[in-house]
Amino acid sequence: KNEVEQSPQNLTAQEGEFITINCSYSVGISALHWLQQHPGGGIVSLFMLSSGKKKHGRLIATINIQEKHSSLHITASHPRDSAVYICAALNTGNQFYFGTGTSLTVIP
Amino acid sequence: DAGVTQSPTHLIKTRGQQVTLRCSPKSGHDTVSWYQQALGQGPQFIFQYYEEEERQRGNFPDRFSGHQFPNYSSELNVNALLLGDSALYLCASSPLFGGSGTGELFFGEGSRLTVL
Repeated sequence: KNEVEQSPQNLTAQEGEFITINCSYSVGISALHWLQQHPGGGIVSLFMLSSGKKKHGRLIATINIQEKHSSLHITASHPRDSAVYICAALNTGNQFYFGTGTSLTVIP
Repeated sequence: DAGVTQSPTHLIKTRGQQVTLRCSPKSGHDTVSWYQQALGQGPQFIFQYYEEEERQRGNFPDRFSGHQFPNYSSELNVNALLLGDSALYLCASSPLFGGSGTGELFFGEGSRLTVL
């Protein structure tokens, strides 16, 4: 069993739809990252969370430490949001554990 | 700030050969981690370096070795290459053990290795 589980694995949405990607983890964490990877490589950290909620433009990330669960929401999705989204949990031993990613395709 | 830089970006090797990949961390970061990402998979942790020492290691054989230099840059070496070593190798830097230890994470663009 992976320490970090993501769902769904693949997601196709129409432009403008509200999107939610979920992440559950089993390790004790000090922080959790939501990463974005466009085709061809290049991973960037969208958010780093240790509690509560963060918002950046159309992206919102939440975390519930008690339930060991985090969500990434995209409002008014756009084709440029098409990418793989990866959840990465930083455990208390300073090691990152990665989910297998959610491949998002937003259709115009 | 150049961020995390990796070289080479692409390379092709044959089975049994050896390869060295290089990484320069983001300015101010003292910890470098290496990851292997197979096609369609999430990154798998190889090892982490801090103060020129391997601090943590994932489930990879001894054919995978590394080094960190005094300027915090790092190398990943893979010996006796196998077809299954073909992947994108990602380097990430963090200020985990030094500085503010905020846990921020920056990735390089990766080195894509093809083993024929």
